[in-house]
Amino acid sequence: DTGVSQNPRHKITKRGQNVTFRCDPISEHNRLYWYRQTLGQGPEFLTYFQNEAQLEKSRLLSDRFSAERPKGSFSTLEIQRTEQGDSAMYLCASTPVGATDTQYFGPGTRLTVL
Amino acid sequence: QKEVEQDPGPLSVPEGAIVSLNCTYSNSAFQYFMWYRQYSRKGPELLMYTYSSGNKEDGRFTAQVDKSSKYISLFIRDSQPSDSATYLCAMSGQGGSEKLVFGKGTKLTVNP
Repeated sequence: DTGVSQNPRHKITKRGQNVTFRCDPISEHNRLYWYRQTLGQGPEFLTYFQNEAQLEKSRLLSDRFSAERPKGSFSTLEIQRTEQGDSAMYLCASTPVGATDTQYFGPGTRLTVL
Repeated sequence: QKEVEQDPGPLSVPEGAIVSLNCTYSNSAFQYFMWYRQYSRKGPELLMYTYSSGNKEDGRFTAQVDKSSKYISLFIRDSQPSDSATYLCAMSGQGGSEKLVFGKGTKLTVNP
């Protein structure tokens, strides 16, 4: 399968714990995006990378959130001291640089904070 | 006012019906318009992608963009139960090369 992959698919954690999600983009896609989707809402942009550089962060991304893409390939999104309001689907998407083509999404990681 | 407005439904139609879904937007910088289909607990899957105003057809699906009215539509002909999903409109100023702004999604059920 050459699509975007995300792991884990589902994470249940207790409030206050740290969690980390991983995204593997489509091979040779330079841009990688993270979105968050809550129930009944469309995805909302969190941050994106071009290669290893993080170029934009949404104001939705509080200090408890950090994302990395150390070698310009896979990316991780960490949430520290999780809160119940962090419960959502976290989606990753990728696209080649300069492409007017759209973004291709992974299956998402569903986070439940108890 | 949100940048992209989409009626969340739900919308329920009989099999074979023509379905019309639409979004309005406020940002005139948007030039790329997409429709994604999302099944329950899955990631969004691209259905249609159009640039600027006009129509685009792909099988049973037709996407229309009217930039003068800031209004986009997706039509589904001969709807099937397998079309039951949430349909999300998304848009951006530079296609996939910048963040997408999504509507809330419309939940569609096609009854056999």
